[in-house]
Amino acid sequence: QVQLVESGGDVVQPGRSLRLSCTASGFTFSSYAMHWVRQAPGKGLEWVAVISYDGSNKYYADSVKGRFTISRDNSKNTLYLQMNSLGAEDTTVYYCARDGKMATISADFDYWGQGTLVTVSS
Amino acid sequence: DIQMTQSPSSLSASVGDRVTITCRASQSISTNLNWYQQKPGKAPKLLIYAASSLQSGVPSRFSGSGSGTDFTLTISSLQPEDFATYYCQQSYSTPWTFGQGTKVEIK
Repeated sequence: QVQLVESGGDVVQPGRSLRLSCTASGFTFSSYAMHWVRQAPGKGLEWVAVISYDGSNKYYADSVKGRFTISRDNSKNTLYLQMNSLGAEDTTVYYCARDGKMATISADFDYWGQGTLVTVSS
Repeated sequence: DIQMTQSPSSLSASVGDRVTITCRASQSISTNLNWYQQKPGKAPKLLIYAASSLQSGVPSRFSGSGSGTDFTLTISSLQPEDFATYYCQQSYSTPWTFGQGTKVEIK
């Protein structure tokens, strides 16, 4: 069965960096675009970034553009989110999610990980 | 950015009730609209994609309709496990955006 497991969430000081990982299993990782979606505690959902199945295309929300970088290693079935210049507004649960269609970006998120919490605090 | 507005923000209903949640987009998104269910402490779950297509494994009491700017999610007969928060999301253009959520509570 499809499984997505995030890791790397932590408490970090403002201005510092953090890298999140999402390890996939149960499907052909290299055939699907992957997304990061975040949710502040008690708040709604915010799409963060997407990377195409082969890593050739990446798109970001304006709120993270220039600070966050999405990447993937298809040989390791792993998705990453490098987060730099973190601020209090980045304190959220980060989910990785699989795109619903193979070999394209359809932006319907059919499988989600359990989430990893990032807390930015001094 | 395309703004997604759900109504109501919350509702109280009883088991067996028919429940309808509305989602409105700030511009036409054709049928590029998805619905998710989220329970406390859990990740969202895809229920409906492309406005009206039922995701595999989702009970048939869930249905979606609409196109353009106005969409609805209907639960035909509310079950105890359906008490949750529901989100719509447009997949028409980046940045892909979600509605603010509708919390379905027990009456």
